[in-house]
This record gives sequence, structure tokens and C-alpha cells, in this order.
Amino acid sequence: GAVVSQHPSWVICKSGTSVKIECRSLDFQATTMFWYRQFPKQSLMLMATSNEGSKATYEQGVEKDKFLINHASLTLSTLTVTSAHPEDSSFYICSAREYSRVFWEGGYTFGSGTRLTVV
Amino acid sequence: GEDVEQSLFLSVREGDSSVINCTYTDSSSTYLYWYKQEPGAGLQLLTYIFSNMDMKQDQRLTVLLNKKDKHLSLRIADTQTGDSAIYFCAGGRTSYDKVIFGPGTSLSVIP
Repeated sequence: GAVVSQHPSWVICKSGTSVKIECRSLDFQATTMFWYRQFPKQSLMLMATSNEGSKATYEQGVEKDKFLINHASLTLSTLTVTSAHPEDSSFYICSAREYSRVFWEGGYTFGSGTRLTVV
Repeated sequence: GEDVEQSLFLSVREGDSSVINCTYTDSSSTYLYWYKQEPGAGLQLLTYIFSNMDMKQDQRLTVLLNKKDKHLSLRIADTQTGDSAIYFCAGGRTSYDKVIFGPGTSLSVIP
């Protein structure tokens, strides 16, 4: 089946630095990728939708200058948390959609997530 | 707007059935899903149902949909300790649209 690799699985960074999280579709082309954020014991909140070759669409309340999304190829999307602060500490999960497969056929696949801790 | 609600906790004994309930507000939600998340891991799609269906069974899983009341439930038969996880109800308007998640129900299975 479709596999999405998310890297790193965990990262600790100092306040004020930037962190890049990668989301790769390993055996399919992902025309659309979604980035979610999950606080402890809470649900997933959609941050943005990225389509290959175009600008990401951010959900209301998500700072696009702080959470930079790049979807430069059909197999890779990156989320960069710029000037990270402790309140950015969270679990970030990506999801990739394979163009030729609809959702119920497993067309959406989630990465295993990245736990970001900002100290 | 879109909103999905779930009870937050459920505890059952091993071997019993578990029923996790979900309500949603968006009547345009055509596709409804159940996901499982184990600690520190990503999400695993368990099953899905279309809005024109009222029931779907898949091995130990049974999904019931009451479209009139916008109520969705997931029944896990013969619950095992390995079923302990957080279960998310989610909905989308199209098969290609963003998916809105509920808060998740933490299922604890007592041996």
C-alpha cells in the first residue's frame, strides 16, 4: 500500500531557531498534502493544504509566515517552523493524497508524525 | 461551520464490545471515516462509510450511520487489549476534500 515517510520523528530545538519537517510519499505521487497539528490529548487541527507547484492554502488562524510549506515535487512537501517558540511544541502530522486513488481506496495516507519540542 | 464531536473516554473489558459515538454538524459531509491512533504514532484508517449508507461491517468493526441525526458509531466486537488507542471520527465533503477530525475517543481495554 501507499506509504508516507515523515522525518524527523522527533526533534528538540532552541527557541528562536527554525525546524524543517519533511513528508515524502514513497511509492506514489502526491498531488496534495495536508499538514496537521495535534496538541496533547487533542484532535488534529488542519493547518494547511499544499498542492504541488502552487502556494499552500492555510486555515484561518495559521500564520503562513511562521509555518512555511513547500511542495516542490510530487513526492515531497516540507513544513518549516520559523523562529520556533515553546508554544509551537506539538505533534505535527502530514497526510498525502495520491491523485489516481480516491480516499476510500486508501488514497489518503498519514505520516507517522513529528514531535517537536522547543526549549 | 464544520464540527465533529465525540465522547472523550471509553473503558471496556477485554472480550466485550466497544461502541464509540460521534456526531457531526455539516450535513454536506458525504464521506465519514474512523481512524485509529496508537501512542506517538500517525493515523491508521480503520473504515469509512458513505452518507448514502446506513451500515457497514468489516470483520470486527461495524459502522452505523444515522444521517438524519448526523450520528455515527463504531462498534468493535470482542475488544482486545491491542484495540486500546484513540479513535477519531472524521468527515469530508468530497473524496478529495480536507478532512475534519473529531476530538478523539480514548479507548482503554481492561484485561
